[in-house]
Amino acid sequence: TQLLEQSPQFLSIQEGENLTVYCNSSSVFSSLQWYRQEPGEGPVLLVTVVTGGEVKKLKRLTFQFGDARKDSSLHITAAQTGDTGLYLCAGAKETDSWGKLQFGAGTQVVVTP
Amino acid sequence: KAGVTQTPRYLIKTRGQQVTLSCSPISGHRSVSWYQQTPGQGLQFLFEYFSETQRNKGNFPGRFSGRQFSNSRSEMNVSTLELGDSALYLCASSGDEDYGYTFGSGTRLTVV
Repeated sequence: TQLLEQSPQFLSIQEGENLTVYCNSSSVFSSLQWYRQEPGEGPVLLVTVVTGGEVKKLKRLTFQFGDARKDSSLHITAAQTGDTGLYLCAGAKETDSWGKLQFGAGTQVVVTP
Repeated sequence: KAGVTQTPRYLIKTRGQQVTLSCSPISGHRSVSWYQQTPGQGLQFLFEYFSETQRNKGNFPGRFSGRQFSNSRSEMNVSTLELGDSALYLCASSGDEDYGYTFGSGTRLTVV
């Protein structure tokens, strides 16, 4: 059982549409990160959120950390084909050091022209 | 700046053999973590090293071990390989209090 549950597992949308990926847990995290991974490569860090209720924007991507620091969401506005990839949330539990990340199973996003 | 470098990129080993994977972190990063990624289990934490000391360890058998050198480079070793050890092994490094990790491209290990 994954400590971080991601939903949906798979998302297929057309260019220009919006999408939201969710990451939920019953545990409290001191920080939460989002990564995107391409086939055959390592994950690439998109953002880190550390404060409950925090919202961060990265161009068309908006990240939110829940008030209780147990959940997070990633929203993409006007998706482009370049947004295709495996999106992973990862967090360091409050009881662990920040070097021990728990990963969600990932959300495979496919954006078609 | 140079990213995290993992060598080799691909490796094929036979059951029962042992293997050593190498990771060179970003210059100045002292924290190095290792992860195993498989289609069934996703990314699983193996261990983390900080300034040559193992700071965290995941739930893997003792066949999996690692170490970090004074220049922060790290190696992980898997002994008595099993078919189930076939996976992408990822190394990641982080600066102090960065909260975010930079991953290497990984080593794809296939055990036959």
